[in-house]
Amino acid sequence: GQSLEQPSEVTAVEGAIVQINCTYQTSGFYGLSWYQQHDGGAPTFLSYNGLDGLEETGRFSSFLSRSDSYGYLLLQELQMKDSASYFCAVRDFSGGYNKLIFGAGTRLAVHP
Amino acid sequence: GAVVSQHPSRVICKSGTSVKIECRSLDFQATTMFWYRQFPKQSLMLMATSNEGSKATYEQGVEKDKFLINHASLTLSTLTVTSAHPEDSSFYICSARRGGPTSGANVLTFGAGSRLTVL
Repeated sequence: GQSLEQPSEVTAVEGAIVQINCTYQTSGFYGLSWYQQHDGGAPTFLSYNGLDGLEETGRFSSFLSRSDSYGYLLLQELQMKDSASYFCAVRDFSGGYNKLIFGAGTRLAVHP
Repeated sequence: GAVVSQHPSRVICKSGTSVKIECRSLDFQATTMFWYRQFPKQSLMLMATSNEGSKATYEQGVEKDKFLINHASLTLSTLTVTSAHPEDSSFYICSARRGGPTSGANVLTFGAGSRLTVL
């Protein structure tokens, strides 16, 4: 089975940088994804890492170390609108279907 | 970009009744759709994988007879909560991925979700 661990809450101020960590245990690893979800809204895809290293998309970056079963999401130049929940997710092929299993989520609160 | 429409966004029903939630891929064909359930401030829990033209695959602990899934076309999957009870009250979210059941794509497009309240 799959399990993911990430901090439950993170607080930061506008303009700061915040890192949200994710450690995982999987029976087979096929990449780590990150999703953002605002309260009452739908999750939206942020980034994906299939190989070790850093992937950068604007203010957001994601890092993966397969040997450490670890990844993180880095948010730079924080804005109030970044206040949301952030989920890491791994792919699972059990049952013959390619599905995503999500971590518990990290609630980010950005303050002025 | 890929768009997934989910309806209704909110529904309130009496205990014992059934509720149907629709999930449509608007600009692409989704042979595979996923239904998630989310309690307040908690994670998205995968309920089942819906494949067009075949039976849904349910996750462990999810009652097949209670949560009926039908994926009759390449653009529509429905979730019916049968004989709903207050403990079924939750946020139900569908998602879709372009491509077949073993597609390598990692990007899921989510519907806006349906908030079910059972009185």
